[in-house]
Formats: sequence, C-alpha cells, structure tokens
Amino acid sequence: EIVMTQSPATLSVSPGERATLSCRASQTVSSMLAWYQQKPGQAPRLLIYGASTRATGIPARFSGSGFGTEFTLTISSLQSEDFAVYYCQQYKNWQTFGQGTKVEIK
Amino acid sequence: QVQLVESGGSVVQPGRSLRLSCTASGFAFSNYGMHWVRQAPGKGLEWVAVISSDGSTKYYADFVKGRFTISRDNSKNTLYLQMNSLRAEDTAVFYCAKVAGYTSSWYLIDDWGQGTLVTVSS
Repeated sequence: EIVMTQSPATLSVSPGERATLSCRASQTVSSMLAWYQQKPGQAPRLLIYGASTRATGIPARFSGSGFGTEFTLTISSLQSEDFAVYYCQQYKNWQTFGQGTKVEIK
Repeated sequence: QVQLVESGGSVVQPGRSLRLSCTASGFAFSNYGMHWVRQAPGKGLEWVAVISSDGSTKYYADFVKGRFTISRDNSKNTLYLQMNSLRAEDTAVFYCAKVAGYTSSWYLIDDWGQGTLVTVSS
C-alpha cells in the first residue's frame, strides 16, 4: 500500500498570506495525485488532479505541483473561505488519502 | 449539476445490518463508476469500496471485505452499500462519490454527496 504523509498537520496563516501544504508518497505515484478541500460539516471538494490541474470552478489562487513522491498545494493569498482541511490522495495504485492538513486562521 | 443524495444512516447495535442508498441525478449514472468513502468523527477520509459502471466489478478495502457489499441499480440511478456485522469502529459519515471521467483511474473522485451518519452503539 502506498502511504501518503501530509505536513504540517496544522498550518496557521493570516488572511492574504500564502499557504504551502506538502504531501509525500511512500513510493512514486507519477502525477496521479489529487487534492481535496473539506470544510466543517461539508463533503470534500476536488481542487486539483494530475498533481497540477485545477478542477472545474477552482480559483486560480490554488495551484499544485510535484511529481513522483513529493507534492505541494499552494494557496497564493488565503481568503476566509479557504480555512479548511486539505487532503491529498494518490490514485496510481488503488488509492490512499493522506491524513490531512488543517489550515487555520492565525 | 451532479447531485448525490445518501440515505439510510441511523443508530444501530453492534452485529446488526444496515443498507445505505445514494440517489444520483444530473449525470449519466450508468456511465460512471461509484465509490463509498467514510469518515469517522474527527478523523480523515477512508475509502470503503468502488463499483464499475455496469456493476460487474467491485473492489473493497481490506477492513470491510466479507461484511460490506456495494451494488447499484442503474435503472433507478441508485448506489447501495449493504453493511453486515457492524462494529463500533464502523461509526462514521458515509459518502457516496462519483468516479471522475478525466483519467483512466477508477480512484479519482470528482463529486461527493453530503453523507449519511452511521452510528454503531449498544
């Protein structure tokens, strides 16, 4: 099983600042990596797939990068609605989710 | 737009059974594989099962094999999860989710329902 490890567990950021979230795979997943956002009491929402392609309707302030085992989700200027939990998921070999990174208001 | 509406969640005693349903609309249900993913209170996302578009192929997480069965009725645009021998650790919100059509992978999900809560407790 491919293990996905996200860091940090919690990220404290002020509105308007940049947030950088990391996701590491225990073995290569090529570019088969997705990011999801989940707000309290809501279902997850697909943000990024293919490591760097934004899903339909996702604002340009969200960007993904990486290949192989190291991936990054960057939110260029945090808006109030971006404070949430973010999960990475590999879908190259079955699938596995990371444990999540909570982005909270500093 | 895509809508996935789960139902069937409730409080159930350990060892009992429960069937969840997910009614789909806004897309050609019979063309897409579908998933169940669960989330225990305060915890992360945990994949449960996937079924192919025609229902002929199913895969399960190891922790539910032999206890849960995923199925679908394309004539009713409905996905099911039959859960038997429920345990306290199965307590979670269960989401149905749609396979994305962007890649050849079954495991990329692009739409999720709002979830239904299953509580296993005596």
